[in-house]
Amino acid sequence: QVQLQESGPGLVRPSGTLSLTCTVSGGPISSDYWSWIRQPPGKGLEWIGYVFYTGSTNYNPALKSRVTMSMDMSKNQFFLQLTSVTAADTAIYYCARRLRLRPIGIGLDPWGQGTLVIVSS
Amino acid sequence: DLQMTQSPSSLSASVGDRVTITCRASQNIHIYLNWYQQKPGKAPKLLIFGASSLQSGVPSTIIGTGSGTDFNLTFTSLEPEDFATYYCQESSTTGTFGPGTKVEMK
Repeated sequence: QVQLQESGPGLVRPSGTLSLTCTVSGGPISSDYWSWIRQPPGKGLEWIGYVFYTGSTNYNPALKSRVTMSMDMSKNQFFLQLTSVTAADTAIYYCARRLRLRPIGIGLDPWGQGTLVIVSS
Repeated sequence: DLQMTQSPSSLSASVGDRVTITCRASQNIHIYLNWYQQKPGKAPKLLIFGASSLQSGVPSTIIGTGSGTDFNLTFTSLEPEDFATYYCQESSTTGTFGPGTKVEMK
């Protein structure tokens, strides 16, 4: 079955760029949309956005000016970049498959285990 | 902007109890509503999509209902593994999550 694994630096300096990779195994990434979600420690979930293999993206309006998502189908990976980070961007970052489900619906399944990114000097 | 709210923010219950969590959207999202379960230190898990369809492997003791702006997640008989935090999410526009409901053991 499809599995996802996040990777990237656990510490980013304020005003720097957060860069994460999600590696997908068990299926090609060209068949679905792929999402990023984050969760500040002890708080709720925030949808960041999603990317499709065509390059099509959709971002949370609150983050849109700082977010870029992309994919590398040859490596079965997709990526998140978040610029000009502050302490408010400290969170567990999850990647997930955005799946069209029958009879009707769109859900996130499965999810990666998540990776904690701390923004601090 | 579409907003999602949940009530209550937390509740205490016992094994065997019937429990209902409510989610409300600020605009009509038809049946594009998902429910996720999250346990401490773990990633969320999709339970219900399309407001009422159970994801594979989810027990039938969990029921999702609603359409439009008002939705419910009901546990007909709470099991020990059901103690967790639950999030609703709309999938009609972007993917906004509700703030969560923590179900704790009484």
